Amino acid sequence: QVQLQESGPGLVKSSETLSLTCTVSGGSITHSYWSWIRQPSGKGLEWIGYIHFSGNSNFNPSLRSRVTMSVDTSKNQFSLRLTSVTAADTAMYYCASLSLSYFDTWGQGTLVTASS
Amino acid sequence: SYVLTQPPSMSVAPGQTAKITCEGNNLGTKSVHWYQQKPGQAPVLVVYDDTDRPSGIPERFSGSNSGNTATLTITRVEAGDEAGYYCQTWDGTGDHPVFGGGTKLTVL
Repeated sequence: QVQLQESGPGLVKSSETLSLTCTVSGGSITHSYWSWIRQPSGKGLEWIGYIHFSGNSNFNPSLRSRVTMSVDTSKNQFSLRLTSVTAADTAMYYCASLSLSYFDTWGQGTLVTASS
Repeated sequence: SYVLTQPPSMSVAPGQTAKITCEGNNLGTKSVHWYQQKPGQAPVLVVYDDTDRPSGIPERFSGSNSGNTATLTITRVEAGDEAGYYCQTWDGTGDHPVFGGGTKLTVL
């Protein structure tokens, strides 16, 4: 069974770049699409984007100008970069596998605080 | 953009049935998925493709979708079902997944 684990800094300075990595275990990263989803404290879920190892990707239009995603097949990892962060980017960030049209496996999440 | 609307909260007594709704324009023509999120935990898929349950999800959880409304039904509600519930589908172009705002279910 596939398991996901997010990693990265818990604190990012405003105007700098947020970088997170998700490590996939129990399966190959080439066998699915992979996604990032975030959730500000006490609020709902916001899809950030998805990526396939082939390079096919798509991003939330509201974040597209600031988001980059990549896949490292040698490490079975995929990554998120979000530039020019502000306090509004403070949230729990989840990585998830995208199976057809639903998110069937989620990581435990990592809290990122954007602070000046 | 496509909008999914859920009631922010609802409450139900143990042993009763909870029906959580999710509304969207012609939602019945789309596939709807439901996630349960307990406090401090990641979301878990409980219903996919309107009516199917992943392995390990109790039969007490079921889904339906028709017209403009999808519904997650939880029968014989237990204290452990207290959680946030989110519906999800894809927008009109089929390129972007969309989540409802979530419903906090309180078990009295």
